[in-house]
Amino acid sequence: NAGVMQNPRHLVRRRGQEARLRCSPVKGHSHVYWYRQLPEEGLKFMVYLQKENIIDESGMPKERFSAEFPKEGPSILRIQQVVRGDSAAYFCASSPLLQETQYFGPGTRLLVL
Amino acid sequence: DQQVKQNSPSLSVQEGRISILNCDYTNSMFDYFLWYKKYPAEGPTFLISISSIKDKNEDGRFTVFLNKSAKHLSLHIVPSQPGDSAVYFCAASVNSGGSNYKLTFGKGTLLTVNP
Repeated sequence: NAGVMQNPRHLVRRRGQEARLRCSPVKGHSHVYWYRQLPEEGLKFMVYLQKENIIDESGMPKERFSAEFPKEGPSILRIQQVVRGDSAAYFCASSPLLQETQYFGPGTRLLVL
Repeated sequence: DQQVKQNSPSLSVQEGRISILNCDYTNSMFDYFLWYKKYPAEGPTFLISISSIKDKNEDGRFTVFLNKSAKHLSLHIVPSQPGDSAVYFCAASVNSGGSNYKLTFGKGTLLTVNP
């Protein structure tokens, strides 16, 4: 009964490095969502993906951030040339269908030094 | 511009009493509302939801009330238990128009239930 899995749980990067965050949705779920929670803030929508398709990336910063959900394997959120302001908790959620409840993973806490 | 507001950062109640968590929203397009509960170092867990066509939804000890005219919703937990101690997030979405997946969250309220 595996829920949404995210790894790593904690990630430390220096400014200018790349961060790769992985998300394995609940088995059978084909819809994946990424959210970011900055310190003292609520979660903010970043991107919605289905297998091999980005459906809505309206919440993603225009530069340095990208996401994918390949046919095989986990969804990846990639942050290039990280800056201190990228330090946050990044949560992935999945659902079986579009209008179903989103189930969240435990998050990846990114710290940029 | 914060569209979902939880104005109380924290709330402390005694075990067995009622906990009332409040949430206000500004976007009149929101028509679906959810409450999530979050323990430290874990992801949010879905608790209960309500559609704008209803004004109340109940699930066991949890009841959500929606006042559309006031753009206000509340979560009632009766009776409160120490295991309910967590951060509670209010979230909203626009269910029509194909973008219901985009949840807008409040900042959360830390509930502490004292034994």
